Amino acid sequence: KAGVTQTPRYLIKTRGQQVTLSCSPISGHRSVSWYQQTPGQGLQFLFEYFSETQRNKGNFPGRFSGRQFSNSRSEMNVSTLELGDSALYLCASSWSGETQYFGPGTRLLVL
Amino acid sequence: AQKVTQAQTEISVVEKEDVTLDCVYETRDTTYYLFWYKQPPSGELVFLIRRNSFDEQNEISGRYSWNFQKSTSSFNFTITASQVVDSAVYFCALSPAAGNKLTFGGGTRVLVKP
Repeated sequence: KAGVTQTPRYLIKTRGQQVTLSCSPISGHRSVSWYQQTPGQGLQFLFEYFSETQRNKGNFPGRFSGRQFSNSRSEMNVSTLELGDSALYLCASSWSGETQYFGPGTRLLVL
Repeated sequence: AQKVTQAQTEISVVEKEDVTLDCVYETRDTTYYLFWYKQPPSGELVFLIRRNSFDEQNEISGRYSWNFQKSTSSFNFTITASQVVDSAVYFCALSPAAGNKLTFGGGTRVLVKP
């Protein structure tokens, strides 16, 4: 069974731009969660989608948003990028609410 | 609010030595899950083990073992007979029983020297 896939793997943007990251969960998994990893703040939960509905949300500003499609694929969008948004963005999937399996991540650099 | 603390930031051992990683957590939930993940240099988080809060039985899985003590809110993880390939950052994490919202510790970098 294929694992969680994320695209793109690397991304360079400039301040003020917006970016969209994509995540395809493991087949059959209905929950997709997003995490941000930075050297200063560590791993932080962004939000979780389950059956196309946001089920949990972390403490991030409204510039961070997401959505989930009927095939469970998820996208995360960050608008008006700031330098501090440079991070590794990790997507994880699970069937419902147990073990999350992570993808390889998208490394975003904001210049 | 949930909190996970990994006091050890870095551990260096020689191959074949045992490595024990400490994890202390805080939660008001009565039911929760505890996890250990490994992050090699490639960046992907690899799931290692999961424990339910109502099951304090400690187990061994290959070279991995864990010691879950609810009374002290600790969930320690041991790698027996370490190998160079075990070099990575190890994260302890906590999630409520309902919904996926992992709270991670700061991670412990393990360096296994040949």
